[in-house]
Amino acid sequence: QKEVEQNSGPLSVPEGAIASLNCTYSDRGSQSFFWYRQYSGKSPELIMSIYSNGDKEDGRFTAQLNKASQYVSLLIRDSQPSDSATYLCAVKSTGTASKLTFGTGTRLQVTL
Amino acid sequence: DGGITQSPKYLFRKEGQNVTLSCEQNLNHDAMYWYRQDPGQGLRLIYYSQIVNDFQKGDIAEGYSVSREKKESFPLTVTSAQKNPTAFYLCASRGVRGLGYTFGSGTRLTVV
Repeated sequence: QKEVEQNSGPLSVPEGAIASLNCTYSDRGSQSFFWYRQYSGKSPELIMSIYSNGDKEDGRFTAQLNKASQYVSLLIRDSQPSDSATYLCAVKSTGTASKLTFGTGTRLQVTL
Repeated sequence: DGGITQSPKYLFRKEGQNVTLSCEQNLNHDAMYWYRQDPGQGLRLIYYSQIVNDFQKGDIAEGYSVSREKKESFPLTVTSAQKNPTAFYLCASRGVRGLGYTFGSGTRLTVV
């Protein structure tokens, strides 16, 4: 079983719609969760972090965490073509010092 | 501006050759990491270092070596023992506890 799982996509949404990206993780003791955006050929860029259950909003982005279900999601409101990228979920698990484990990413395509 | 600098951006290696990828940061971060990214496989941890003169193997350390003689620098050597080195290599650092990584712009290594 992979430690961090994401649907590889592509997830296609029309411009202006809400994009919903999902991630599950296996280590129940995980404490810190991150979403990175990666454009093709570029390095990942941190866009959201979340540490406690519930929602965290930053502009058009909302991260949602449910530790009981071992599930973290990212919502992108009013999706723009510039949001088209691969979104990586990363988890800091227990007993791993400061290492992050990454999912394989979900490719998002925002269509005109 | 503070950040992480990776060089070169593109690197070509001949069979049997060792090559060294540079990673320098001026963020005063203690922890540094090397990841490898292959298409469809996400980021895989090669080596990490939490303090000067100390480093630990990640999940795929075979065929790689590192050093951490200075806080700012964490070079990665891809040795001839690494049989499939063609990939995108990412260096990252982490400062304040609990926050995500900052990534460099990456080095794309190709075997010719």
